[in-house]
Amino acid sequence: GAVVSQHPSRVICKSGTSVKIECRSLDFQATTMFWYRQFPKKSLMLMATSNEGSKATYEQGVEKDKFLINHASLTLSTLTVTSAHPEDSSFYICSASEGAGNTIYFGEGSWLTVV
Amino acid sequence: KQEVTQIPAALSVPEGENLVLNCSFTDSAIYNLQWFRQDPGKGLTSLLLIQSSQREQTSGRLNASLDKSSGRSTLYIAASQPGDSATYLCAVEGPALIFGKGTTLSVSS
Repeated sequence: GAVVSQHPSRVICKSGTSVKIECRSLDFQATTMFWYRQFPKKSLMLMATSNEGSKATYEQGVEKDKFLINHASLTLSTLTVTSAHPEDSSFYICSASEGAGNTIYFGEGSWLTVV
Repeated sequence: KQEVTQIPAALSVPEGENLVLNCSFTDSAIYNLQWFRQDPGKGLTSLLLIQSSQREQTSGRLNASLDKSSGRSTLYIAASQPGDSATYLCAVEGPALIFGKGTTLSVSS
């Protein structure tokens, strides 16, 4: 069964609103979580790396004030897309591991559509 | 900065053919390399993981090789089937997984 659960799997929101995506590790302590986004027919782009209890490290070009990442516990990280716009519509997927060198498990992904 | 390149971007073959997908990466300081499969509109399915100290891994009709010093990996698919049609992604870990753009495979019956 899934070891990383992501919710919601699909969400539609109005432009200007904020939406939160959750990523949970089900049976291990996720010291590190990663967030990716994927545009249609494109590859996965790493957005940020978050370590439990620390601020997330964002990749170049990713707006940290727009994509708020919280990793307050060892089993939960959240990605909040603030003031969403249609261009934020994408597939967002998280992954988690117990730390460097350990197996990385992926969530099922979340489709965000901003209308 | 790690960059991962996959060739070809797309591949169409008739059923039964053996095929090779290529992946190259710029920084050889990796923990491991993984091959994933992604079906349209779906998440990722891990196919094979090769640790940095290993040279290959096999699972069924799939065989992946790793030459860390040259920054290359290949995924060999034997006796391809229509069900193999998907996008195949190569990713290197160190510490985050950095993905290539994928090879979209179409196997016709």
